[in-house]
Amino acid sequence: DGGITQSPKYLFRKEGQNVTLSCEQNLNHDAMYWYRQDPGQGLRLIYYSQIVNDFQKGDIAEGYSVSREKKESFPLTVTSAQKNPTAFYLCASRSFGNSNQPQHFGDGTRLSIL
Amino acid sequence: EDQVTQSPEALRLQEGESSSLNCSYTVSGLRGLFWYRQDPGKGPEFLFTLYSAGEEKEKERLKATLTKKESFLHITAPKPEDSATYLCAVQLGGYSGGGADGLTFGKGTHLIIQP
Repeated sequence: DGGITQSPKYLFRKEGQNVTLSCEQNLNHDAMYWYRQDPGQGLRLIYYSQIVNDFQKGDIAEGYSVSREKKESFPLTVTSAQKNPTAFYLCASRSFGNSNQPQHFGDGTRLSIL
Repeated sequence: EDQVTQSPEALRLQEGESSSLNCSYTVSGLRGLFWYRQDPGKGPEFLFTLYSAGEEKEKERLKATLTKKESFLHITAPKPEDSATYLCAVQLGGYSGGGADGLTFGKGTHLIIQP
């Protein structure tokens, strides 16, 4: 079945460590997105990519990095510079059709600090 | 600053008791308003897209409407399986419209339907 796969489901980070969250889609979507969700807050945009080898910062990009080497993959690295990384991370994708196509989401990765 | 506000924050209904959730927005250049359903520990599931004032969309017990300032998600005769957090989001720019891409989300309405 087509969809968006995020892995791992749970991830633990030690102080000073970089960790990478995986996001893969087999929907042939053009654009991919990373959001962060904290309790009591709306989803906030970290980074997005509309085309391979290009990506743009969202509202809260500091302490994060991404790459888009393949259309189907958009990994997110949470660096040691991100001082409050504990959150639920959601990856999304969408196609660019004639109308404003909706974003579809994976089932998230929950990141915690050891 | 562009903003999306959802109300109420939480709503508890009896099975079969109809109600509405509100999403008000203060943005310019709206290119679409989206409703999602999110279950605990899961990603948001797409429900509806609304593009212009006066537009309505329906799916089973759910009906979404849009005005120039707000959107409503009407739930008719809800069942316990409708319990979830309902998220509203707006899109401003994008690939075909220029400007930054991505959605601006409200904080959601946590809906509980009691049997």
